[in-house]
This record gives sequence, C-alpha cells and structure tokens, in this order.
Amino acid sequence: DAGVTQSPTHLIKTRGQQVTLRCSPKSGHDTVSWYQQALGQGPQFIFQYYEEEERQRGNFPDRFSGHQFPNYSSELNVNALLLGDSALYLCASSLVDRAHEQYFGPGTRLTVT
Amino acid sequence: AQTVTQSQPEMSVQEAETVTLSCTYDTSENNYYLFWYKQPPSRQMILVIRQEAYKQQNATENRFSVNFQKAAKSFSLKISDSQLGDTAMYFCASPDPGAGSYQLTFGKGTKLSVIP
Repeated sequence: DAGVTQSPTHLIKTRGQQVTLRCSPKSGHDTVSWYQQALGQGPQFIFQYYEEEERQRGNFPDRFSGHQFPNYSSELNVNALLLGDSALYLCASSLVDRAHEQYFGPGTRLTVT
Repeated sequence: AQTVTQSQPEMSVQEAETVTLSCTYDTSENNYYLFWYKQPPSRQMILVIRQEAYKQQNATENRFSVNFQKAAKSFSLKISDSQLGDTAMYFCASPDPGAGSYQLTFGKGTKLSVIP
C-alpha cells in the first residue's frame, strides 16, 4: 500500500523565483492538504484540494497556489519567493468524508537564498 | 481560532521508562477529534494515536496511550517502555472546528529524547 510521496526532497531557490512542489496521495485517498513547517514550529495549514478544487485555505498570500489533477495528485506553486518561505512543505492526504484524519508525506525542504 | 498548546519544549526519558507529554486545547465544539503525531529526524509526520471526544474511553495503541480530560481540555500522551526509536518531535493536533474540520491546528511540539 503506497503511502504519500513528495518530490523533490530538497530544493534551493533564489529570492523572486518560482517553485513547484509535487505530491501523490496515499492509495485510495482523494483529498490533499498542504502545510508549511518553519524550523522549530508545528505545521501551518496552507490549503486543501478535493475534486480538483480548492476546498479550504489557510492564512497564506495569493503567491501560494495549488492544483489537483484527476488522479488526485497535487502541486503547490509559490511565486516571487521570499527568504521567509524557507521551510519544510508537507503534503497530507485523506478521504473526503474523514478529511481531518490526514496522513503525511516526507516533505520537501525548500531553502530560499 | 483553535489553539493547541504544548508547554514542554523538550523532554528526556531513560530507555524502558515511561514518559508523559502534555497538550491542552481550546474548542467550543462538543464533538471533535484529537491526534498525536510523531516526527522523527527523517521528517515524516506519523500518526501515533487518535481520540474522538464523544468516546469516554482513553485511546490506546500498543505502548502509546492518552489521558483525555474533556472538561479540562487536556490530551496527554503516555509512552510506556520507551525505546530509542521513540526519539522524535511529538505534535498534538486537532481539526479547527471554525474551519469545518478540514484544517489541522498543531501545537509547537515537544522534542523527546530517549537516553540509552
């Protein structure tokens, strides 16, 4: 049973650039959530996708956008990168009727220089 | 907004001993879920145990159990017979009821070190 996978593992970008992170949900799951985890902090909710639509959004600027594909995989895009965007980005998947019970991937470590 | 508080930034325990991690939360809901996640140095966030608020019985998963005090809004995690592999960050989390339960709100975490 394949768990949640994310790519890439690590990424280094320069301020002002754009980045795309990818996530494949756990087998059988149809809902994907994204979280940002700054060093020494708990994860912060960015948004959740279901049926290719953004279902809910946390307190993040419009520079953060996402997409969900028909196979339930998802992308997180961040434009105009800032130094403060350096963090671990976690993807979590769930079933739509148990959206609170989320299973996490290993994360992508983004460093902005 | 939902708040989840973990008051112990760091803890340590001797191998084979028992340790309890604390968590308090704030909610106006009557039925909700609570979770403990483990994040080892490998970074993978692993679901350790879940508790449904309407169930009075405390959840147990092998060496992990919770002490759920609904009136006090307290949800502590007890790890028995601690093992070196238990060394990790532990996060308490709960869905934000004001956000329709999709969004997990996490505490700041407790760094647990198991000492051989």
